[in-house]
Amino acid sequence: DTGVSQDPRHKITKRGQNVTFRCDPISEHNRLYWYRQTLGQGPEFLTYFQNEAQLEKSRLLSDRFSAERPKGSFSTLEIQRTEQGDSAMYLCASTDEIDEQFFGPGTRLTVL
Amino acid sequence: AQKVTQAQTEISVVEKEDVTLDCVYETRDTTYYLFWYKQPPSGELVFLIRRNSFDEQNEISGRYSWNFQKSTSSFNFTITASQVVDSAVYFCALAGSGGSNYKLTFGKGTLLTVNP
Repeated sequence: DTGVSQDPRHKITKRGQNVTFRCDPISEHNRLYWYRQTLGQGPEFLTYFQNEAQLEKSRLLSDRFSAERPKGSFSTLEIQRTEQGDSAMYLCASTDEIDEQFFGPGTRLTVL
Repeated sequence: AQKVTQAQTEISVVEKEDVTLDCVYETRDTTYYLFWYKQPPSGELVFLIRRNSFDEQNEISGRYSWNFQKSTSSFNFTITASQVVDSAVYFCALAGSGGSNYKLTFGKGTLLTVNP
């Protein structure tokens, strides 16, 4: 078990471009979370999946953001028409029950 | 709505000093869970502890100890005999049982610097 992995680790893009991030949770975990962390702040919840079902989305998740977990395994987070305010660390976490949420290393997005 | 407040933005201590990181929370849930995470300079969040709202026993793990007081809605974290390797940002977080999704609400974090 290699823990939660995220790809890419870093992404630099120009404003207006689309970007997609991938998260591979720990294999037996059915709960998957996306968070966003900006400089000097704690992570903020974006969205939650239980298996393949997206059960909650934060108001932070504008219509430019979409997330999927097609087979209840890996998940993708896409941001369309990126803006400079989207620059942040995007964190993925997984767990099986209300226990430790295991976090991945994050994807750092820089929008120029 | 849930809220976690970490009033201390930055703390600087000298090695071997004891240090306490404060955490105050707000929730309407009767069942909830409190967490502490460490974020070293490498950036990855490292789980330290989880406490249930119905278990107010304090906990000690090596140099780390946690004081959970429901009456004051606080869940403070003490590092005894601090070491340089303890330098990191520490986050307190809360997960309510409402909605059963257990999403974490984090505080803004406390940057701890332990100087040799």
